[in-house]
Amino acid sequence: AQSVTQPDIHITVSEGASLELRCNYSYGATPYLFWYVQSPGQGLQLLLKYFSGDTLVQGIKGFEAEFKRSQSSFNLRKPSVHWSDAAEYFCAVAADSNYQLIWGAGTKLIIKP
Amino acid sequence: DAGITQSPRHKVTETGTPVTLRCHQTENHRYMYWYRQDPGHGLRLIHYSYGVKDTDKGEVSDGYSVSRSKTEDFLLTLESATSSQTSVYFCAISEPPYEQYFGPGTRLTVT
Repeated sequence: AQSVTQPDIHITVSEGASLELRCNYSYGATPYLFWYVQSPGQGLQLLLKYFSGDTLVQGIKGFEAEFKRSQSSFNLRKPSVHWSDAAEYFCAVAADSNYQLIWGAGTKLIIKP
Repeated sequence: DAGITQSPRHKVTETGTPVTLRCHQTENHRYMYWYRQDPGHGLRLIHYSYGVKDTDKGEVSDGYSVSRSKTEDFLLTLESATSSQTSVYFCAISEPPYEQYFGPGTRLTVT
């Protein structure tokens, strides 16, 4: 069965420091992968997606993610975080059928001033 | 931003009463989804629709029903609300399938 693991429930990063959020998936074929962000009290916003091609994908708000098939990973990165990046981040993979997404549990990003 | 609205945005209701939440889209997307989000459980799919009058169950469908009589509207009904259905409910749409766009959410409290 497909699954998504986000190993870190919380991550604390200083403002201006680099960020990497981890996502591991379980899927037999080439997956469709997504990162979403949810600010407090808001809905989820799509940050970026990977369907095929270049394994380094660029998203909105200065985020990027790299698909590594050998590691079954799709980690999210940002070179320098801003206080406004404090939010919860969700990784998701498209299910085999029924057009559903399989969601990770989320990682809450805390920014230290 | 995708044109998705949810109503009401907040609702408090009593145990045993029926509740209907509405999701409205202006994007003409074929697929629509209802999720609930609870601390410690992440996002869980309740029901989804792949066209007018075409719906299917998600992983937590017990106690919920849905209807889609028009492309733009997807209704979620709690026939008899229970305290365990206190949650934040999100609607999402997609076209083509997979890439989903979310509404602002409805916070439901069942007392």
